[in-house]
Amino acid sequence: QQQVKQSPQSLIVQKGGISIINCAYENTAFDYFPWYQQFPGKGPALLIAIRPDVSEKKEGRFTISFNKSAKQFSLHIMDSQPGDSATYFCAASHQGAQKLVFGQGTRLTINP
Amino acid sequence: KAGVTQTPRYLIKTRGQQVTLSCSPISGHRSVSWYQQTPGQGLQFLFEYFSETQRNKGNFPGRFSGRQFSNSRSEMNVSTLELGDSALYLCASSLFAGGNQPQHFGDGTRLSIL
Repeated sequence: QQQVKQSPQSLIVQKGGISIINCAYENTAFDYFPWYQQFPGKGPALLIAIRPDVSEKKEGRFTISFNKSAKQFSLHIMDSQPGDSATYFCAASHQGAQKLVFGQGTRLTINP
Repeated sequence: KAGVTQTPRYLIKTRGQQVTLSCSPISGHRSVSWYQQTPGQGLQFLFEYFSETQRNKGNFPGRFSGRQFSNSRSEMNVSTLELGDSALYLCASSLFAGGNQPQHFGDGTRLSIL
């Protein structure tokens, strides 16, 4: 019940296209859902996060869509750029614990 | 503002040895969490410290331990190293403890066991 399932494992998108990464969770106690971006040799960097009281959050080209009833959330990257090529992780945690449960990651490649 | 600093960046050890990794959180952050990242298991939570107290612990053997100092800096120790302990060890800091706090990661310590 602590799992977060992420798909796809890898994704190739053309420059200017929309990249979409999906995550699903089981634990209904989760109430915080961040997305992280990781480049080789670097630690994960917090991109954007959402709480279940909203269905969508947008920051620049990055948007999180959240479906509480389906227990799913997704990251959309608009106008994808080669610099967005990285591994993306979704995660979840619940009130009272800083323990993040991570998805398995998506390796995103943006072709120029 | 300086980010999370982890030292050393790389370590090579042999089986049976022990190792200590260090983490300095972002200035003002009082909560520190540790994670292990491997290609097979992904990112897994090790433990969380706040006010020098361990608040949560992940599903790792007792060979993995940690502590936090009064200045919020943290160390983790792994004793009797095994080949499977080869991983990137990441430290994350946040302002406070409890869920829903944004966690900011350092670049990790790459531990290789020979």
